[in-house]
Amino acid sequence: AQSVTQLGSHVSVSEGALVLLRCNYSSSVPPYLFWYVQYPNQGLQLLLKYTTGATLVKGINGFEAEFKKSETSFHLTKPSAHMSDAAEYFCAVSTDTGGFKTIFGAGTRLFVKA
Amino acid sequence: GAGVSQSPRYKVTKRGQDVALRCDPISGHVSLYWYRQALGQGPEFLTYFNYEAQQDKSGLPNDRFSAERPEGSISTLTIQRTEQRDSAMYRCASSLEVGRATEQFFGPGTRLTVL
Repeated sequence: AQSVTQLGSHVSVSEGALVLLRCNYSSSVPPYLFWYVQYPNQGLQLLLKYTTGATLVKGINGFEAEFKKSETSFHLTKPSAHMSDAAEYFCAVSTDTGGFKTIFGAGTRLFVKA
Repeated sequence: GAGVSQSPRYKVTKRGQDVALRCDPISGHVSLYWYRQALGQGPEFLTYFNYEAQQDKSGLPNDRFSAERPEGSISTLTIQRTEQRDSAMYRCASSLEVGRATEQFFGPGTRLTVL
């Protein structure tokens, strides 16, 4: 069965600092991995995804994530945080057993300090 | 174009009442998903449809929960005899294609409170 663990329910960074949000997954098949962002009172929005091929994936708003099979990780990074990055971030894995449902992590809330 | 819409945005009901939550996906999207999201948690899969066919309902907590998408567009999630533990944000998402890699577009959710 697939599962996702996000380390740290809250992360706080200063504006301009590196953002690192951690995600580890468990999957019995090659995983398809996603990062979604949720702004207050809005639905989730896709940041980036990994399916196959290049393990470093670039997304919107300057975010990127690297798939590391040996570490079963898919951490999200951004070199320089902006105030507008403050939101909740969800890592997710897509299954292929019995359908295509998506399993989400518990989320990490990112705070950006001026 | 319009995104995924859900109605009502907020629903307060008394224990024992039935509720129907509506999802209007992006036009032309084949797949539609229902999730439940508790405070401080990620979305929890409930069920999903390809066109009008319900493909997987393994996430529905019990037989009080049901969903339909009769014409392959609008979907309704119905909760019968609501209980306080049903209180949560219910989210709908749609995707253009069937498959593991497709992006899901989420609606704003319906906040259900059962008193």
